[in-house]
Amino acid sequence: EADIYQTPRYLVIGTGKKITLECSQTMGHDKMYWYQQDPGMELHLIHYSYGVNSTEKGDLSSESTVSRIRTEHFPLTLESARPSHTSQYLCASSEGGLEHEQYFGPGTRLTVT
Amino acid sequence: SQKIEQNSEALNIQEGKTATLTCNYTNYSPAYLQWYRQDPGRGPVFLLLIRENEKEKRKERLKVTFDTTLKQSLFHITASQPADSATYLCALDPLGGKLIFGQGTELSVKP
Repeated sequence: EADIYQTPRYLVIGTGKKITLECSQTMGHDKMYWYQQDPGMELHLIHYSYGVNSTEKGDLSSESTVSRIRTEHFPLTLESARPSHTSQYLCASSEGGLEHEQYFGPGTRLTVT
Repeated sequence: SQKIEQNSEALNIQEGKTATLTCNYTNYSPAYLQWYRQDPGRGPVFLLLIRENEKEKRKERLKVTFDTTLKQSLFHITASQPADSATYLCALDPLGGKLIFGQGTELSVKP
């Protein structure tokens, strides 16, 4: 079982609210990622980080923002949630370098009403 | 555009048979390819990695092949069991350690 945690697991929230999805890993991994996945669809990378104070946007445009102040913590924030943000958000981490597998958290299922 | 294609239709097989899943890609020259398993409502779990200079990789009942000429990887589960029922994802790294995932193939193994 991977040591990567996400909270909350499920979140139902109204339009316009600010939300933060938490992701933490205890493996000391330098690389961390956020993916968005809709049912039956592929994972899309929305943010990644190669270390503390390093964040980049992924291939899928997202209105969310991320921060990486500590190695183990990679939270994702939506300033004003909209129904179009309804999705599954998956956090992952991996060791530095290439060819390393990614370890995924259990995901947060977000519903914006 | 860069693309990864997996069988979009679910694969239904009988317990004990071999399941074969396909991953095709275009416009990539990946140095390696990974396969993951994803159960409903859970994050993917890594299964196998195969490099471009490896034709085949095995792990217990799993076997992966990688044909860089055909731009295709095949994923086999031998002696399949109902517990193997899940969605299987292939993933490529075009460059720099960021993976691109296929949409996955759902496998259902009936007892």
